[in-house]
Amino acid sequence: NAGVTQTPKFQVLKTGQSMTLQCAQDMNHNSMYWYRQDPGMGLRLIYYSASEGTTDKGEVPNGYNVSRLNKREFSLRLESAAPSQTSVYFCASSFLLSNEQFFGPGTRLTVL
Amino acid sequence: SQQGEEDPQALSIQEGENATMNCSYKTSINNLQWYRQNSGRGLVHLILIRSNEREKHSGRLRVTLDTSKKSSSLLITASRAADTASYFCATSYGKLTFGQGTILTVHP
Repeated sequence: NAGVTQTPKFQVLKTGQSMTLQCAQDMNHNSMYWYRQDPGMGLRLIYYSASEGTTDKGEVPNGYNVSRLNKREFSLRLESAAPSQTSVYFCASSFLLSNEQFFGPGTRLTVL
Repeated sequence: SQQGEEDPQALSIQEGENATMNCSYKTSINNLQWYRQNSGRGLVHLILIRSNEREKHSGRLRVTLDTSKKSSSLLITASRAADTASYFCATSYGKLTFGQGTILTVHP
């Protein structure tokens, strides 16, 4: 089992460009999450999907959109990237919302 | 906010010593979880303690939870250089809310 996979691992964008971060899990989990991690800030929840077909905003949703494509896949889209979105992005999944979460390896995004 | 706050922010010890990290939070929780993050990697779940539990063990890890004080502690006994990492507590009332973490350095 691969667990949680994320693509790409690294990305450099120019201000105003768009991109989609992909996440997939093979553990048959119901819930999936997108976090960003900035130095000294811990992890902040961007969006989450409690179950297939539902998505909800987290703590810092502005500038992002998500799609729960199916039970396995949860993508994060930046429509018009800004330097403030430079961060490391982590996808995670869990069987239910309160359960332990399994994290992907992260995507390091730089917006110039 | 029910965000967990870890203390200390950084901890430096020698191999073989015990490491204790504390977490405080503000609101009711279903459970509290501890995670570890090695530099440049994703987080790895260590242990989950439910709100009706007071203590839990897993190998060299011991977690306590005091819901009356809204605090938890993570004890790593007989630390090893490989324990060097950042440790995060996360409180759950539905989705998780992470604290800012404790950076643990274990010197050989």
